[in-house]
Amino acid sequence: AQTVTQSQPEMSVQEAETVTLSCTYDTSESDYYLFWYKQPPSRQMILVIRQEAYKQQNATENRFSVNFQKAAKSFSLKISDSQLGDAAMYFCAYRSPPGTASKLTFGTGTRLQVTL
Amino acid sequence: NAGVTQTPKFQVLKTGQSMTLQCAQDMNHEYMSWYRQDPGMGLRLIHYSVGAGITDQGEVPNGYNVSRSTTEDFPLRLLSAAPSQTSVYFCASSPGTGGNSPLHFGNGTRLTVT
Repeated sequence: AQTVTQSQPEMSVQEAETVTLSCTYDTSESDYYLFWYKQPPSRQMILVIRQEAYKQQNATENRFSVNFQKAAKSFSLKISDSQLGDAAMYFCAYRSPPGTASKLTFGTGTRLQVTL
Repeated sequence: NAGVTQTPKFQVLKTGQSMTLQCAQDMNHEYMSWYRQDPGMGLRLIHYSVGAGITDQGEVPNGYNVSRSTTEDFPLRLLSAAPSQTSVYFCASSPGTGGNSPLHFGNGTRLTVT
């Protein structure tokens, strides 16, 4: 079974600075998909960014980008120019390829604080 | 667009009571699932379904039942509530059964069992 590990329970960043959240995973599959979700205090789960394992290019969505290291099974999230609205829980998640009735496996989350 | 709708938003039960958490989606998604979220444990999969009439167990299925009689609805039943089932429950759906289809989440149900 796949496992996802987020080793940083809490992180803090100053407004306008850059922060990187870590995620590692364990799998024997060669094709898979990785996601970062944000959960603000409202409890809503919001998709931040996704990455296909077969793509070498790192995904980017505005101020959010990933550093995907397939050999190291690492998938970190970089938030640039941090804003107060970025304060939230961030979850890394893994999903198997289509056709496998695959489940989304989550890490335990990293709580991000943004300070002035 | 309503997306994924969960009801109720909050619920308090006494030990031994039963109840059903409702989940409906209007996006014609094949895949639906239930997760529970507990502090320090992330989201754990309870049950999932890849289409009407098909359900399967996730990581933590004990004490919960599901059914999928229509594409739109995927209710979660607690048969005899226990304090260990105090949690926040999320229903989520996706158009495909895997791959890069992200899950669309409902807003969650906070359940307290006393």
